[in-house]
Amino acid sequence: AQTVTQSQPEMSVQEAETVTLSCTYDTSENNYYLFWYKQPPSRQMILVIRQEAYKQQNATENRFSVNFQKAAKSFSLKISDSQLGDTAMYFCAFLYGGATNKLIFGTGTLLAVQP
Amino acid sequence: DTGVSQDPRHKITKRGQNVTFRCDPISEHNRLYWYRQTLGQGPEFLTYFQNEAQLEKSRLLSDRFSAERPKGSFSTLEIQRTEQGDSAMYLCASSVTGDEQYFGPGTRLTVT
Repeated sequence: AQTVTQSQPEMSVQEAETVTLSCTYDTSENNYYLFWYKQPPSRQMILVIRQEAYKQQNATENRFSVNFQKAAKSFSLKISDSQLGDTAMYFCAFLYGGATNKLIFGTGTLLAVQP
Repeated sequence: DTGVSQDPRHKITKRGQNVTFRCDPISEHNRLYWYRQTLGQGPEFLTYFQNEAQLEKSRLLSDRFSAERPKGSFSTLEIQRTEQGDSAMYLCASSVTGDEQYFGPGTRLTVT
């Protein structure tokens, strides 16, 4: 069975600084997807960034980038130039492209951006 | 199109009552998912529809839970004889290909 582990329950960063959120996963599959979702307080889940396992190049979306280490089964999220609006719960998620494509989530990291 | 919508946003019910939630997916998204999120946890998969067919149900979905998606459009999730352990956020997501899922705002259920 696939599992996703986020070992940092809470993190804090100063505005304009850089922060890295950690995620590890376990799977025996070779083709899969990894995602970071953001869930602001009392607001809905938003997709931040995705990575296909077959791609060696790390995904980047504006201030958000990932460090995907397939052999180590590690998938960290780097947020550059942190903004107050980045304050949220961040979930790492795994998706195996089988018939259902259900997401398996970690327990989340609560990120607080301090002014 | 404004994304996935869910109704109601909040529901408070007494133990033993039945509740029903509705999810309206993004137009033309043939895949629809229900997840449950308890406090301090990530969402957990409950069930999946492709068009009107319910193709997978999690073991988390006890006999008291039933979901439908008539005509492959909106979906409903019903919980019968609610228990305090059912208190959670119920999230709906829709997708075209399955690999990118778009979430609704959720329905927060409180069972007293």
